[in-house]
Formats: sequence, C-alpha cells, structure tokens
Amino acid sequence: GQQLNQSPQSMFIQEGEDVSMNCTSSSIFNTWLWYKQDPGEGPVLLIALYKAGELTSNGRLTAQFGITRKDSFLNISASIPSDVGIYFCAGQNDYKLSFGAGTTVTVRA
Amino acid sequence: GAGVSQSPSNKVTEKGKDVELRCDPISGHTALYWYRQSLGQGLEFLIYFQGNSAPDKSGLPSDRFSAERTGGSVSTLTIQRTQQEDSAVYLCASSLARTGSEKLFFGSGTQLSVL
Repeated sequence: GQQLNQSPQSMFIQEGEDVSMNCTSSSIFNTWLWYKQDPGEGPVLLIALYKAGELTSNGRLTAQFGITRKDSFLNISASIPSDVGIYFCAGQNDYKLSFGAGTTVTVRA
Repeated sequence: GAGVSQSPSNKVTEKGKDVELRCDPISGHTALYWYRQSLGQGLEFLIYFQGNSAPDKSGLPSDRFSAERTGGSVSTLTIQRTQQEDSAVYLCASSLARTGSEKLFFGSGTQLSVL
C-alpha cells in the first residue's frame, strides 16, 4: 500500500500548549483525513480536507491540505487532558484509505 | 445499535486454530471495510465490500484470510490456522457509498491474541 510518513511518533505536551503534527506521502491524494483513536475504541474522524490548499477548523483543531496534495498538518490549540490519544492521518483516493502510523499524544496536567 | 458493532471484543486463541470475527455495520451503509492494526502501527487495509460488487481483496495478507458479507449487511472475517503474527486489533468500518469522500465509521475492534 501507499506509505504515509507521520511525525512526530509521540509527544508529551503541557496543558494549554499548541501542538502540531504532520503527514507526508510520495503519492498524491484527493482527500486528506485526520482521525483520533481513544484506548479500546475505533478511530473517529476529526477533520476531512477535499481540496489542495484547503485550511479547515473544527473547534480547537485546524488542518491543512498541502498544495502538492502530498502532505497535510494538524494543529491542536490550547490542549486539554481529553486531547490524549492517538492521532492518525489518512490519504484517500476513491474508496481506499492509507493511514500513517499515528502520533501518540500525552498531556501533562 | 446506532454504530458499527464488532464481536467478540477480545479473542484469545491457540496457534493453528481458526477464528471468526464478526462485524455489524450501520444500517443502510453499503460499503464495509476490514482493517488490521498492529501495535504501534497504522491501519492496514484488508478487504472492501460495496453493495453487490465483487469485493476488493487486495489487502488480505495470505490465503489463510477470507471474508464474506451476507445479504449486504453482516460481515465475517475468518483467519484459518492462526499464527502469532496474526495478533492485532481487527477493525471494521462502514460508510454510505463509494463516492470517495464518504465518512467512515469504525467499530471498536476485535483484539486477537494468538498464543
């Protein structure tokens, strides 16, 4: 399958901090998606991006679809304890999604 | 229920045994996916069903893996002669249609442990 490189692999953040994670690919995608997975649960969609250059917000989350269509980033502003979890990027062409390996976020209270 | 339901939530088996994992998609969702999530890894595509079309089995790792979807609803993933490297979380997801931009809803997964 197509390889997505997601970084960082993990991060410890202070409550209230802004954080950023990104995803790059050697392949072009028509859609970029960001998911969050809590322990023992399946991933839940946070943000979907459909157009190159698009910048989309969902509450404290902001994500951008790179102009080359080969990358995307996710920002979380003013982090809170419930932001703990694993964040996955995914690139989608037609019905197939390719996922990054995930960024594990742990918040220090 | 309203979401994607998977059973069992946990399965421990011995090497060499066969296992069946079940997925009940959201009612009305025509597309159904199986993914595998190994520890510390992203989600690996296994198989995709869309309506009455032939499934995309391109992600199945070996011929020990098979899946079926009966009546366009419930799906079963079968792993024959399980190996220790099959240990992972198996996630099922469903969506409304294959337009390429439909939202996927995931179940909570089945944690498979092969001893």
